[in-house]
Amino acid sequence: DSGVTQTPKHLITATGQRVTLRCSPRSGDLSVYWYQQSLDQGLQFLIQYYNGEERAKGNILERFSAQQFPDLHSELNLSSLELGDSALYFCASSPRLAGGQDTQYFGPGTRLTVL
Amino acid sequence: EDQVTQSPEALRLQEGESSSLNCSYTVSGLRGLFWYRQDPGKGPEFLFTLYSAGEEKEKERLKATLTKKESFLHITAPKPEDSATYLCAVHNYGQNFVFGPGTRLSVLP
Repeated sequence: DSGVTQTPKHLITATGQRVTLRCSPRSGDLSVYWYQQSLDQGLQFLIQYYNGEERAKGNILERFSAQQFPDLHSELNLSSLELGDSALYFCASSPRLAGGQDTQYFGPGTRLTVL
Repeated sequence: EDQVTQSPEALRLQEGESSSLNCSYTVSGLRGLFWYRQDPGKGPEFLFTLYSAGEEKEKERLKATLTKKESFLHITAPKPEDSATYLCAVHNYGQNFVFGPGTRLSVLP
């Protein structure tokens, strides 16, 4: 158990809908990262937050947005969902900004199915 | 564009049969190279971070090495519990993380 929690575990929704995925980092970790993992694209970095501020952006679509709240939990919002958005979404946390000695601890993931 | 490739795509070993996994990368500026292990349906589990060519790190039966263009994950005398997908990723100066497709390792008893 990494100490990172993600809810919900599974989510099934329809095309065009909007969903919110939630992540609670390990106690004391200030950085949160979001990743998407699909069979054809592998693991893709979406976005990083550090202590409430956006620090790095990867391959995140404009239909997707994220935020980190004062209590350090983070939410990933996915809107106008398409079939291709079906994937596993992982959150990871680390104590400080990555680039130093930090290890990223991954949560168990949220499996999103868009029908 | 930064890229990470991994070979082989899949590897089957007998218990105790040592081998190596390869991660080749092209990156504009390398801040770090990471190895993760991922079990089916679970999040990746951190193994190593390497920062500069020539660096080596070890953990139990695993040893990771880094050159300017590739990294190797050596597995010595593997056990069935080492079966997993091994992912390599690079962190570049643009603060982006680029993952390879992974090597699926099966260790047979």
